[in-house]
Amino acid sequence: AQSVTQLGSHVSVSEGALVLLRCNYSSSVPPYLFWYVQYPNQGLQLLLKYTSAATLVKGINGFEAEFKKSETSFHLTKPSAHMSDAAEYFCAVSVETSYDKVIFGPGTSLSVIP
Amino acid sequence: DVKVTQSSRYLVKRTGEKVFLECVQDMDHENMFWYRQDPGLGLRLIYFSYDVKMKEKGDIPEGYSVSREKKERFSLILESASTNQTSMYLCASSFPGLAGDLSSYEQYFGPGTRLTVT
Repeated sequence: AQSVTQLGSHVSVSEGALVLLRCNYSSSVPPYLFWYVQYPNQGLQLLLKYTSAATLVKGINGFEAEFKKSETSFHLTKPSAHMSDAAEYFCAVSVETSYDKVIFGPGTSLSVIP
Repeated sequence: DVKVTQSSRYLVKRTGEKVFLECVQDMDHENMFWYRQDPGLGLRLIYFSYDVKMKEKGDIPEGYSVSREKKERFSLILESASTNQTSMYLCASSFPGLAGDLSSYEQYFGPGTRLTVT
């Protein structure tokens, strides 16, 4: 069965430090990949998506992610963390039989320490 | 801006009650989704609708049903609420994916309904 794993349910970084959130997926067909962010008491919003164009994808708020087919990874990075980045981050992969649907990972909660 | 609204932010119901969660989107999206969000499990799909009156079961449909009589509205129904259905419920909508169309596939989410069943 398809799956998405996110290494680390909770990540803490200092303000100004590099943010790295890991995502690995399984798919037997070319995937579409997504990162969503959920701020406290809100729904999810799209950070960025990979849909078979450039492998390095830039998103909102300075985030980017790189699709690596050989590693089945789609890790999310940001060079310098801000306090406002504290949130829950979800990686998602398109369902093989229906690209309209996605499978979400368990999420990573990011804390930013002043 | 796309707006997805959910009828309640917080809801408390008793075991055995019939519960209705309503979701409305204003972007003329064909696709609508109901998810359940639990800590450590991410979002799990309950039901998916790809058109009016059309629906598909998701990964965890047991104990739930849905209704889509109008394109903009998608309702989740708990026929007889149980304590294990205490959770955050998220509604989302999207256009159907079109190969090569980079603007498609994105799902737009409502703010969620936190349901407590006692």
